Amino acid sequence: GIQVEQSPPDLILQEGANSTLRCNFSDSVNNLQWFHQNPWGQLINLFYIPSGTKQNGRLSATTVATERYSLLYISSSQTTDSGVYFCAVDRGYLGSNYKLTFGKGTLLTVNP
Amino acid sequence: NAGVTQTPKFRVLKTGQSMTLLCAQDMNHEYMYWYRQDPGMGLRLIHYSVGEGTTAKGEVPDGYNVSRLKKQNFLLGLESAAPSQTSVYFCASKDSQYQPQHFGDGTRLSIL
Repeated sequence: GIQVEQSPPDLILQEGANSTLRCNFSDSVNNLQWFHQNPWGQLINLFYIPSGTKQNGRLSATTVATERYSLLYISSSQTTDSGVYFCAVDRGYLGSNYKLTFGKGTLLTVNP
Repeated sequence: NAGVTQTPKFRVLKTGQSMTLLCAQDMNHEYMYWYRQDPGMGLRLIHYSVGEGTTAKGEVPDGYNVSRLKKQNFLLGLESAAPSQTSVYFCASKDSQYQPQHFGDGTRLSIL
């Protein structure tokens, strides 16, 4: 099956710093989603981004499908950005009925 | 605007007991999925459904059964709970090819 690797596994920042999280995947994909898992365990859908660039406030994401990677940018980080960030991909209907394969996540800690 | 609702949110079971987790979605989505999340790992797919009356196995199906008698509900059953099934369970639904999966808030299940 498809492999999803996220880096770095852990990241510690001071409030106000910027960061880049990376997601590499081993095969072509139909869909890519970025999630933030907050301290209460909820999965928050950040971006649905199979290709191109999207921005939402201080967060933006870029997926280069032909090179099989995606980047999540967090600018001016805040303590509320702390948590685990997951990348997940699916291979479409014929590939897998849109089943998502998750990476192991990046644990982000933002200190005040 | 409920989205995906999981019941219950927390449960403690003894080894050998049975229980059913309920996932309900009010978005008329065709596809529904059950995932489990273990410490330090991303989510892994247990079972999924591509429409009312259909079910299929995912990556880690052993020890679980599912049913989709109504389009809006997807049930996950544990017939004889084992400590290895202690986990957080997430349900998700999806409409069509170019839409993201929507996740519930999770069910935290402990088996003693």
